Amino acid sequence: DTEVTQTPKHLVMGMTNKKSLKCEQHMGHRAMYWYKQKAKKPPELMFVYSYEKLSINESVPSRFSPECPNSSLLNLHLHALQPEDSALYLCASSHPLQGSEQYFGPGTRLTVT
Amino acid sequence: DAKTTQPNSMESNEEEPVHLPCNHSTISGTDYIHWYRQLPSQGPEYVIHGLTSNVNNRMASLAIAEDRKSSTLILHRATLRDAAVYYCILNFGNEKLTFGTGTRLTIIP
Repeated sequence: DTEVTQTPKHLVMGMTNKKSLKCEQHMGHRAMYWYKQKAKKPPELMFVYSYEKLSINESVPSRFSPECPNSSLLNLHLHALQPEDSALYLCASSHPLQGSEQYFGPGTRLTVT
Repeated sequence: DAKTTQPNSMESNEEEPVHLPCNHSTISGTDYIHWYRQLPSQGPEYVIHGLTSNVNNRMASLAIAEDRKSSTLILHRATLRDAAVYYCILNFGNEKLTFGTGTRLTIIP
C-alpha cells in the first residue's frame, strides 16, 4: 500500500469556523509533511513531523495548528483563517532517511469565505 | 537552499523520448537530486532521485553531469499521461523539499 489519503477532498469554511484536515498513511513512514499550494504555483512546505515530533515549522501563522497523534495520522487544525489561505493543502510521508522520496496525497481543496 | 533552473515549458511528441534539463550550479556534495511530477488536479508524484551516478527506474532515467552542476530527466517513450509539471529539487539530506517553478511538459498526439 503506497497510498496517502486525505479527507475531506473539498472544504469550504467561513473565517470564524474551526475545521480540521486529516491525512493517513500505512507505509510505516515516520516522517509526515504538510504543504500548501496556491493556484499555478509550486507546493510550499509548511510543517514536518519526524517520529511524531514537530521538526520543521516554516514560520506558518498560528491559525494553522498541526498535530501528529500517532505514526499513521497527521492533522491540520484550522481556525480564524483568511480568504488568502484558500489553497490546495497537500500531505506527504516518507522514511526519515537522507534523500528519501516523499509520497503525496491528492490534497484537500480549501476555500475560505 | 541550493537553487535549480528549469525551462518553463516544453513540448514533445507522443511515443518519442523526452529530455527535461535542470541546472543546479550551486549544488553541494551532499545534495540529492530529486524529480517529482504533478499531473493536473493531483498531488506531486515521486519520479526518481540520485546523488552522483546515473539512475534508472520503471518510470524514467536520471542522467547526472560529471560535475553535478546539471542533470537531465529522460522519459524514454512519452505518452499523453506524462503531461505534467516536472520539478527538479535539490535535497540536502534532510526532510525538506523546496519546489521550484518546474517545467510544464505538453505531449502532442
